[in-house]
Amino acid sequence: TQLLEQSPQFLSIQEGENLTVYCNSSSVFSSLQWYRQEPGEGPVLLVTVVTGGEVKKLKRLTFQFGDARKDSSLHITAAQPGDTGLYLCAGAPESSSASKIIFGSGTRLSIRP
Amino acid sequence: DAGVIQSPRHEVTEMGQEVTLRCKPISGHNSLFWYRQTMMRGLELLIYFNNNVPIDDSGMPEDRFSAKMPNASFSTLKIQPSEPRDSAVYFCASSLILGEGDTQYFGPGTRLTVL
Repeated sequence: TQLLEQSPQFLSIQEGENLTVYCNSSSVFSSLQWYRQEPGEGPVLLVTVVTGGEVKKLKRLTFQFGDARKDSSLHITAAQPGDTGLYLCAGAPESSSASKIIFGSGTRLSIRP
Repeated sequence: DAGVIQSPRHEVTEMGQEVTLRCKPISGHNSLFWYRQTMMRGLELLIYFNNNVPIDDSGMPEDRFSAKMPNASFSTLKIQPSEPRDSAVYFCASSLILGEGDTQYFGPGTRLTVL
C-alpha cells in the first residue's frame, strides 16, 4: 500500500513557468521531507516540515505542510533547467516508528530551456 | 567529509550468484538505512540499523536478502541467490540521530543487474 501519493508523476514545462507538485496521504505524518534526486545520484534532502500549516521557502521553492499534516506541496516559481530531477516526498506516519520513513512515488520534472 | 560511500557502483551478475553490496556511512552517524529503488515500486526501505543493531527489517523482501553492520563504519547487504527481479538501484543512507525529521544522507547507489 502506497501511503504517500505524489502528483503529477511526470511534468515537462518551459523555463520560466511556475509549477506545483503535490504529496497526499490519508495518514497523519509527524513530519514530511522533500528530496530531489538527479540521475545517477542518491536523493538529497531539500527541506523538512514539521508543523501543520508550516510554510518554508528555499529560494524559488516554497514548501507547505497541510494543516492536518496529511499532505504537502512544493511550488517552484520561474522554473529553470537546473530544477530538473525526481522530486520525492517522504515521511514517518505517526503510527509507526519515527525513522521508518516512507517515500512517495515521485514526480519526475523536466524543464525545457 | 566524503559522504556515504557505496561499492561497487555497478554490478552485473548472473541469476543464482551471490551479490554483496557495501556501504560506509558518514563518520559519527549512528543510523544506517538500506533502500531499493525501481521504476515500478519507487524507493523502498529494506532495513535500518541504529548503533549497529538492526531495528526493523520488515522491508527485506525474503530470506535471500541479509544485511549486517559489524561496526559503525561498515555495512553489507547480501543477496544469495540473486534473481533477475532483484535488479534495481540499491542505496545506503546514514543519519546522526534516530528521531523525527532527521536528515538522511544518501550514497550514490549501486546499480545491480541480474541476468
